[in-house]
Amino acid sequence: DGGITQSPKYLFRKEGQNVTLSCEQNLNHDAMYWYRQDPGQGLRLIYYSQIVNDFQKGDIAEGYSVSREKKESFPLTVTSAQKNPTAFYLCASSIDQGAGELFFGEGSRLTVL
Amino acid sequence: KQEVTQIPAALSVPEGENLVLNCSFTDSAIYNLQWFRQDPGKGLTSLLLIQSSQREQTSGRLNASLDKSSGRSTLYIAASQPGDSATYLCAVKGFQKLVFGTGTRLLVSP
Repeated sequence: DGGITQSPKYLFRKEGQNVTLSCEQNLNHDAMYWYRQDPGQGLRLIYYSQIVNDFQKGDIAEGYSVSREKKESFPLTVTSAQKNPTAFYLCASSIDQGAGELFFGEGSRLTVL
Repeated sequence: KQEVTQIPAALSVPEGENLVLNCSFTDSAIYNLQWFRQDPGKGLTSLLLIQSSQREQTSGRLNASLDKSSGRSTLYIAASQPGDSATYLCAVKGFQKLVFGTGTRLLVSP
């Protein structure tokens, strides 16, 4: 079945540690996105990528990094510089960055202890 | 700057009722509008996508309309069921970015 797979589903991190969230899609989509969701707030865009080896900062990129070495994969690293990393992280993809439908993975919940 | 508002924030109805969820946006220069469903602790599931040239889209018991001139979209759910209980989000795609509303939390009681 085609879709977006995020892992891990739950992740606990100590302060000062970097963690990497995985996102893999087999939909053959060019565009991929990372969003952060906090209670009572709309989804906020962290980073997006329109094509392999290219990515752009979203609205809240500080303290995060990404790579796009393969079309299928768009991992997100939450660095120790992110001041409030506890959140629900969602990966999404679309056929391109135009008017195509957006599809989401199941999310990863990160908790900083 | 595009702003997307969803009212009400929460809605509770008995099973079988027809209901309407609202989404309003401030900038009518959009590519499309998409409705999603989110269950607790889960990702978003796409329900309907309406392109800017379209007035409505239908899927099963769901019907979404779009009125760009007034900056409004509605999601109509017919004959609601307890399984429809979830948070419903709309997202507006402008020329630069996608902006999400904060959602309407729907509870359908048996």
